[in-house]
Amino acid sequence: EIVMTQSPATLSVSPGERVTLSCRASHYVTTYLAWYQQRPGQAPRLLVYGTSTRATDVPARFSGSGSGTEFTLTISSLQSEDFAVYYCQQYLNWPWTFGQGTKVEIK
Amino acid sequence: EVQLVESGGGLIQPGGSLRLSCEASGFIFSDYSMNWVRQAPGKGLEWISYISSGSRSVYYVDSVSGRFTISRDNANNSLYLQMNSLRGEDTAVYYCARLLGDFGSERVFDSWGQGTLVTVSS
Repeated sequence: EIVMTQSPATLSVSPGERVTLSCRASHYVTTYLAWYQQRPGQAPRLLVYGTSTRATDVPARFSGSGSGTEFTLTISSLQSEDFAVYYCQQYLNWPWTFGQGTKVEIK
Repeated sequence: EVQLVESGGGLIQPGGSLRLSCEASGFIFSDYSMNWVRQAPGKGLEWISYISSGSRSVYYVDSVSGRFTISRDNANNSLYLQMNSLRGEDTAVYYCARLLGDFGSERVFDSWGQGTLVTVSS
């Protein structure tokens, strides 16, 4: 099983700041890496797949990068609706696995 | 608009069985592979099962393999998860999730239901 590790666990940020979330895979996953956002009490929402392709209706302030085992989700200017938990997920091998999440909270 | 609506959750004793359903609308259900993903209270996401569009392929995470069975009824736009021999660690919100595509980089969950809570406790 490929283990996904996200850092940091929690990030305290002010609105308007640039945010960088990290995700590391225990094995090579090429670019089969996705990011999801989960707001409190809501289902997850797909943000980015294939490492860097934004999903439908996802704002341009979200961008993904990386390859192999190291990946990054960047939010260029944090908006109020972006305070949430973010999960990375690999889908190269079964079982598809998620990271433990990074919570982005208001500073 | 794509809609996925889960039902069937509830309180069940350890060792018991439960069948979850997910009713799909707003898209051609038979064209898409589907999945179940769960989230224990206060915890992260865990993919647990996949079924291809025509039910030919199914996959499970090891922790539920042999106890859970995924199935679908394309005529009725419905996805199911039969859960047997339930344990306390199966307590979670269970989401049904559509797969964007079946190949390459599109094997991601692009639409999710609101989830149904399963609580396994005596």
